[in-house]
Amino acid sequence: GAVVSQHPSWVICKSGTSVKIECRSLDFQATTMFWYRQFPKQSLMLMATSNEGSKATYEQGVEKDKFLINHASLTLSTLTVTSAHPEDSSFYICSAREATGGDTGELFFGEGSRLTVL
Amino acid sequence: GQNIDQPTEMTATEGAIVQINCTYQTSGFNGLFWYQQHAGEAPTFLSYNVLDGLEEKGRFSSFLSRSKGYSYLLLKELQMKDSASYLCAVMDSNYQLIWGAGTKLIIKP
Repeated sequence: GAVVSQHPSWVICKSGTSVKIECRSLDFQATTMFWYRQFPKQSLMLMATSNEGSKATYEQGVEKDKFLINHASLTLSTLTVTSAHPEDSSFYICSAREATGGDTGELFFGEGSRLTVL
Repeated sequence: GQNIDQPTEMTATEGAIVQINCTYQTSGFNGLFWYQQHAGEAPTFLSYNVLDGLEEKGRFSSFLSRSKGYSYLLLKELQMKDSASYLCAVMDSNYQLIWGAGTKLIIKP
C-alpha cells in the first residue's frame, strides 16, 4: 500500500518553543492531508484538514494560530505547534488520501509523532 | 449530534473468534472503516464497507447494515499479535471521518 512518512517520531521540547512536524506521502500525491491528535486511551481527534495550495480547515476548538499547517506541495504537509506548553503534549498523527482515490478513498496514516513539552 | 459507539474493551482466547460491534448515528453516510491500532503506533487500515453485507479479507471480516446503523468486525483464529485497539470510523455526508473511541482487544493464551 501507499506510504506516509512522518517526522520526527519523537520530540521533546521546552515550554514556549515551537515544534514542526512533517508529513510526506512517499509514493503518491495527496491533495488532502489530515492532522489528528490523540491523547492516551482516547480516540483520534481531527484537528484540521489540509488542502494543497490553500488554507487549512480547522475543527472547532483548535487554535489556528497555535497549530500552523502548511501544505505546500502534493506530497508534503507540515504542522507547527507554536509556543508549545505541557498541555500540548500528545501523539500527533497525519493521514493522507491519494488524489485519485476520491472522497472515499483509503486513508493512509503516518507513523505518528509523540510530542512531550517540558 | 454524531455518535459512534463501540465497546471499550474485550478479551478473547488465542485461536478463538471475536466480534467487535459498532453502532453509529451520523449526518449522512459515505462508508464505514475499521482500523487496527497497536499501542503507541498509528492506525492501519483493515476494511471499508459502503454497501450492506459481509466483506471477508483473510482472518478478518466486516459486516454492515445501513438500515440498523450497525457494523461488526469479526476476527477469526485469533493470534497474540491481534491484541490492539480496533477503531470504527464513519464517513459522513461531508466526507469527514467520525471516529469511535476504539475497542481494546486483549488476547489471552
